[in-house]
Amino acid sequence: EAQVTQNPRYLITVTGKKLTVTCSQNMNHEYMSWYRQDPGLGLRQIYYSMNVEVTDKGDVPEGYKVSRKEKRNFPLILESPSPNQTSLYFCASSSSGEVYGYTFGSGTRLTVV
Amino acid sequence: AQSVTQPDIHITVSEGASLELRCNYSYGATPYLFWYVQSPGQGLQLLLKYFSGDTLVQGIKGFEAEFKRSQSSFNLRKPSVHWSDAAEYFCAVGARSGGYNKLIFGAGTRLAVHP
Repeated sequence: EAQVTQNPRYLITVTGKKLTVTCSQNMNHEYMSWYRQDPGLGLRQIYYSMNVEVTDKGDVPEGYKVSRKEKRNFPLILESPSPNQTSLYFCASSSSGEVYGYTFGSGTRLTVV
Repeated sequence: AQSVTQPDIHITVSEGASLELRCNYSYGATPYLFWYVQSPGQGLQLLLKYFSGDTLVQGIKGFEAEFKRSQSSFNLRKPSVHWSDAAEYFCAVGARSGGYNKLIFGAGTRLAVHP
């Protein structure tokens, strides 16, 4: 089944403790993105990647890092999480040949205390 | 700058009633427009999209949307709502940024359905 898999689904952590949210897709997609969803703000793009080793900032990149060492994986790294990063996070992928044909993961709900 | 406005944060309808969710966009060129649905605990599912052509677009689950350029709107409609339609709905516009096709989302409309 074609899918985008995020782990974990739920995470509670403490301020300052580094964490990684993984994202993996099995569709050989070139494009991958991370979004955060907050009430009243919708989804906002954090980072995106157009292919292996090609990443760039989205609209709200502060406090986040990403890497794209393999085509299928696009982990989101929070080096020093803070409470304002409590949010619902979505990973998405698409083929460069299908304009805006995004497949979204099921989401990761992160709480930073 | 591109933006999407969904004026209604919450909407409640009775099962079997008709539904219209509003969406207004700001975009300089001909927009690519989308409606997504997010059911509780789920990811986003594409309901329908408009790229060009017929301004009335049919989607999955009995939804349709109409693109009106003069009003910069892309409202979502359904003639008869089912209890399973209770979810959050997001309107989005496609935007090109640094060679990447990104989505810009509205704030969402949460739909509740009364039996």
